[in-house]
Amino acid sequence: KQEVTQIPAALSVPEGENLVLNCSFTDSAIYNLQWFRQDPGKGLTSLLLIQSSQREQTSGRLNASLDKSSGRSTLYIAASQPGDSATYLCAVSPVGTGTASKLTFGTGTRLQVTL
Amino acid sequence: GAVVSQHPSWVICKSGTSVKIECRSLDFQATTMFWYRQFPKQSLMLMATSNEGSKATYEQGVEKDKFLINHASLTLSTLTVTSAHPEDSSFYICSAPRGRSQHFGDGTRLSIL
Repeated sequence: KQEVTQIPAALSVPEGENLVLNCSFTDSAIYNLQWFRQDPGKGLTSLLLIQSSQREQTSGRLNASLDKSSGRSTLYIAASQPGDSATYLCAVSPVGTGTASKLTFGTGTRLQVTL
Repeated sequence: GAVVSQHPSWVICKSGTSVKIECRSLDFQATTMFWYRQFPKQSLMLMATSNEGSKATYEQGVEKDKFLINHASLTLSTLTVTSAHPEDSSFYICSAPRGRSQHFGDGTRLSIL
C-alpha cells in the first residue's frame, strides 16, 4: 500500500526566504506526482505535475523535482510571499491506468510566510 | 476558471438527515470521478471511485450503503450521505481527471448537529 509522507508538517518563514518542502513515497511505481495548494476550508489548486519520466517542473517561483528511484520529491519556493501561506499537499497516482487515476495524498505541510 | 463545480459548499443539518453533494465537470466529460474525505488537520483520503453507467468502487472501510454514489451522466456524479451522524462531519471533495491531471471541486463542508 502506497504511503506518502511530507516533512515538515508545519513551517514558518519570513517573507523573501527561499524554502523547500519534502515529500516521500514508499512505492516507486507511480504514474505521476502532483503538488497542490489548499487554502483553509477550500479545495485544491494544482501547482505542478511531474510525470514519472520527468525529473522536474517549473512554474514561476515554484520548482518541483522528482527522484522516483528514491521515492522523493521536493517543492522549492523562491522569494516567498505572505500570499504563499497555505497547506501544500503532494499526491501520487499509481501506474497501470494509462491516465490520471486516484491519488494518494501526503500529510501536508502548513506554510506560513510572515511579514 | 474552475473546471469542476461542487455544490453545496457548506451544509449544516440535524442528525439523521440525508445530504446530497453534486460534482460536475464543466466543458469536459468525465467517465470517472473520485470522492475524497478530509477530517480536520488530516490529509485527503479516497472514499470511492465513481464510474459512469456502473457501480462505484469503494475503498476499504467505506460503507457503500451509507455513502451512495450515482454517476448518471458523463458530467455529473453525486454523493449522498444517508442518515448522517456527527461522526460524518467532514470536508468532502470530488475530483475528475482531465488529460494527465486531476481537477478538484471546491469541496463541501458537512456539519451534522
